[in-house]
Parts: sequence; C-alpha cells; structure tokens
Amino acid sequence: DVKVTQSSRYLVKRTGEKVFLECVQDMDHENMFWYRQDPGLGLRLIYFSYDVKMKEKGDIPEGYSVSREKKERFSLILESASTNQTSMYLCASSLGGLAGQQYFGPGTRLTVT
Amino acid sequence: GESVGLHLPTLSVQEGDNSIINCAYSNSASDYFIWYKQESGKGPQFIIDIRSNMDKRQGQRVTVLLNKTVKHLSLQIAATQPGDSAVYFCAENPYNFNKFYFGSGTKLNVKP
Repeated sequence: DVKVTQSSRYLVKRTGEKVFLECVQDMDHENMFWYRQDPGLGLRLIYFSYDVKMKEKGDIPEGYSVSREKKERFSLILESASTNQTSMYLCASSLGGLAGQQYFGPGTRLTVT
Repeated sequence: GESVGLHLPTLSVQEGDNSIINCAYSNSASDYFIWYKQESGKGPQFIIDIRSNMDKRQGQRVTVLLNKTVKHLSLQIAATQPGDSAVYFCAENPYNFNKFYFGSGTKLNVKP
C-alpha cells in the first residue's frame, strides 16, 4: 500500500513565524502535491512537483514556498505565517505520466494565532 | 479534517438504501474524473475513477456515471452502510496534466 505521511497532525504557530510542513511518500512517486482545505471551498492546490528540484505553482501559491530535494520528500514552507493561513494542509503523491490517482496523507491542521 | 463537513450539502440515507451523490464539473475539456471519500480526521481516499471515453464504471458497491453533455458526474453507492458516512468529493482533470480541480463535497450521513 502507498503510504503518505505528514510530519504533524496538529500545529499551532504564531503570526510571523516560519513554518515547515513535511511530507514523505514511500512508493517512488514522481509527482507530489500540497493542498489546503477550507470548509466549503474544497481542496485548493498550492504547489506541486513532478520531479526532484522541480516545482510548479498551483492556484494559491502566495505566501508559500516548497522544496523537493529528494524524490520521497516534499516540504511546504510558510515564510511568515498569517492568520489567514489557518487551515488543513494535505499532501498527496501520484505516479508520473498520464494523470492518475493521487494518494493523500492524513493532513496537518495548522492554527496561526 | 474535522471541519470539512461544515457548510456542505448533506445527504441522509437509511442503512441499506442506495445513495446517489452528484457533482457538476466545470471544464468541458476535462477527460478524467475521480471520486474521493474523506472520513473525519483523515485524508481523502480514492474510491473510483472514470475517463471521458466511458459513460459508466462499476466497482465494488459503487458505480460512477458520467454525462458529458451536461457536465455531470454521479456516484451511486449500493446498500449504504454506516461506514460509508463521510464527505465525498469529485475531482476533474483537464488536458491529462497532473492537476485536478476538486468540488467542495457532499456529506453523506447514514442512519442505522
């Protein structure tokens, strides 16, 4: 079974702090994704990566950056956390090639105070 | 997550009945669709997918129907069980790139 793990289930940070969310997948997937999920808005894509050191902006990249130094790991960075970044953050991975099923991690609920 | 179910349309069904969850998608170029299930406190989990060259696809207790004319997708769950209680999302993929657009979801509540 594919396993996608996220470093924290719950995180509380203060406004202005730099925040790192880590995601690791164990199935050698080429693609990795970061979404945020807010009530009534569904999942919105922040960034994705289709290879090591490669990244593409999603629909809401402002205020975020990402890092992919190794194939299995994809990090989401909030350079200076703000209260409007309080959300559920979901990481996913998928095989390369044609679009296919994405496997999701359990999510990190981030609260910025 | 825990708050995902707030502000969502809710479908309540009796255990053992069939459920139909609907989704309207937005891009006529979308040619691949996925249904996900998200239980409270967990990430979305794949249920079934369908490509645009098909109208119907069946899995175990689930069927997805695709109507490209009206850009509509539905998920049918047969003999709904309490374990089916969750939020269900559809996702569309235009142009075969690895970028999906997700609906906001429907909460399914199964009454015992």
